[in-house]
Parts: sequence; C-alpha cells; structure tokens
Amino acid sequence: EIVLTQSPDTLSLSPGERASLSCRASQSLSSSSLVWYQQKPGQAPRLLIYGTSSRATGIPDRFSGSGSGTDFTLTISRLEPEDFAVYYCQQYGRSPTFGQGTKVEIK
Amino acid sequence: QVQLQQWGAGLLKPSETLSLTCAVSGGSFSGFYWTWIRQSPGKGLEWIGEINHSGNTNYNPSLWSRLTMSVDTSRNQFSLKLNSVTAADTAVYYCARGVIDTMARIDLWGRGTLVSVSS
Repeated sequence: EIVLTQSPDTLSLSPGERASLSCRASQSLSSSSLVWYQQKPGQAPRLLIYGTSSRATGIPDRFSGSGSGTDFTLTISRLEPEDFAVYYCQQYGRSPTFGQGTKVEIK
Repeated sequence: QVQLQQWGAGLLKPSETLSLTCAVSGGSFSGFYWTWIRQSPGKGLEWIGEINHSGNTNYNPSLWSRLTMSVDTSRNQFSLKLNSVTAADTAVYYCARGVIDTMARIDLWGRGTLVSVSS
C-alpha cells in the first residue's frame, strides 16, 4: 500500500497569505496519478487538482499543484475566506489511498 | 447536471451486512468507474472500491473478502454490500464518480450516508 503523508497537519494563516501544503508518498508516483481535494465541514470533498497540476473545472487559478516522484505540493497563492478548509491528497494507482489531510485555518 | 443520490440503512449491529445504493441521474452511466469511499474520524478517507457499467470491479485489498459491488444499468444504479460489520466500519460512506483515463480522479461525490455500527 502506498502511504501518503501530508504536512503540516494544521496551517494557520491569514486571508491574503500564501499557503503551501505538502504530500509525500512512500514510493515514487506517476505524476498523472496525484490528486488534491478540498473538504469543508459537513460536505463531501471537492476535486481541485488532478494529474499533479491540472485544475478541475471551475477551480480558480490561485490554486496550483506541482511535484514529482515522492514529493508533491498544493499552493494557494492568496487565501480567500472560502479557502479555509481541509485538503487531502490522493494517489490514484491500482489501489488508491489518501493522505491524512491538512487543515488550513484562519490565524 | 449529473447528480448522485445515495441511500441505505444508517444503524447496524455487529455482524450484520451494510447495504448502500447510489443512483446516477442527469448524465451517462457508462465510461466511468463508480466508486465508494468512506470517512471515519480514526482513519480519514478510505477508498473502498470501484465498479464500471460492465461490472468490472477493483476492491481495496483490506476489505475485499467482505465486499460485493454491483451495478444495475437499467436503473443507472450501483450498490455496495459489506458483510460482517464491526464498530470499525462506522463511517460516512460516499458514492462517487471516478474518471479513469490518463489522469484518474474522483470528479463527483454524493452527499454521504452516516453508517453507525453498535450493539
């Protein structure tokens, strides 16, 4: 099983600041298989980024993804109030797994 | 607009069978992998498995011995059965749509069903 470890567990930032979220895999991944989701309380996750860096339909360009091999990053260039949420990475190989999540909270 | 509507029993006793169904409306049923994912406080998001319109399945190895997924193409529905449940199976269960092409992803989620297992 491929284990994904996200860091930090919690990120405390102010609106307008830049957020960088890390996702590290226990083995090398194809860049086509790394996905990011956003989840707000009481809601299902929402697709943000797939294939490491492709934004899903309707996702603003302040969200970007990068990385390769075992290290991947989700960057939010300028936090908007609606961006405070929990973010999960997922590897979509033969047996998909998720990271444990990073909570982005208002400082 | 494609929607996923899910339903099933929300309270089970240990050793019973969890049964959930998800209906797809407003879009194509073929060409996707219909997926179940659960979320519990202790284990976070866990991919359970997927099935396509032809009935081809891919299960989580840790759950496969207790899992059965099926499709009803006449109704555009897919179902999950998980037998011999324990308290560890308590979670919110989501049905979802998997796009399995060169860049796989889950692009649509149901609202989730809370399933609690308690004696």
